[in-house]
Amino acid sequence: AQKVTQAQTEISVVEKEDVTLDCVYETRDTTYYLFWYKQPPSGELVFLIRRNSFDEQNEISGRYSWNFQKSTSSFNFTITASQVVDSAVYFCALSEDSGGYNKLIFGAGTRLAVHP
Amino acid sequence: DVKVTQSSRYLVKRTGEKVFLECVQDMDHENMFWYRQDPGLGLRLIYFSYDVKMKEKGDIPEGYSVSREKKERFSLILESASTNQTSMYLCASSLFSGAGTGELFFGEGSRLTVL
Repeated sequence: AQKVTQAQTEISVVEKEDVTLDCVYETRDTTYYLFWYKQPPSGELVFLIRRNSFDEQNEISGRYSWNFQKSTSSFNFTITASQVVDSAVYFCALSEDSGGYNKLIFGAGTRLAVHP
Repeated sequence: DVKVTQSSRYLVKRTGEKVFLECVQDMDHENMFWYRQDPGLGLRLIYFSYDVKMKEKGDIPEGYSVSREKKERFSLILESASTNQTSMYLCASSLFSGAGTGELFFGEGSRLTVL
């Protein structure tokens, strides 16, 4: 069973629009970690953020922000004032403490296209 | 900067051929991983290794094997390639072994086509 769900397969926006990418996860662990990665056309996944399950504070980094809500098992990612360079596939991922190793379970990804 | 290098960006092989995908990392990381990426399925873990000569099955190990003879190198082997193994293969490494202990660093991927 997929433990990370990214329901949005593709999103298309015009530059300067705000866009939110949804991520819903499923786990029985009380200790777990959530990640977001960006995959530009070059193919190499780039790490964006890691959160642990005990830290529900929202995070902002420049135009990027993340909203972690344990009550809804969601870890959503918002890009403010999107730019063409934000065009990429974005992956949400989960690492469970019970897994014992630093294994990540990935969602299917959301392809974001930002048009000028 | 951490560098994860995959030996081949693009490969075309025939059904039944033995295929080697090589991955090298230059930062003395303990963990190394092989994922395959398919549209609509995201990344799925094939195998990982937390130490030299150690390996663990991931979610989809069937049809694959791995080798880690040196800490910096992790090889994925398709003993007899089949068309359903046509995919993008991504190698990754992380510094520590424990759950959630840090980010994974990825290579650029190897796109394999099996005819």
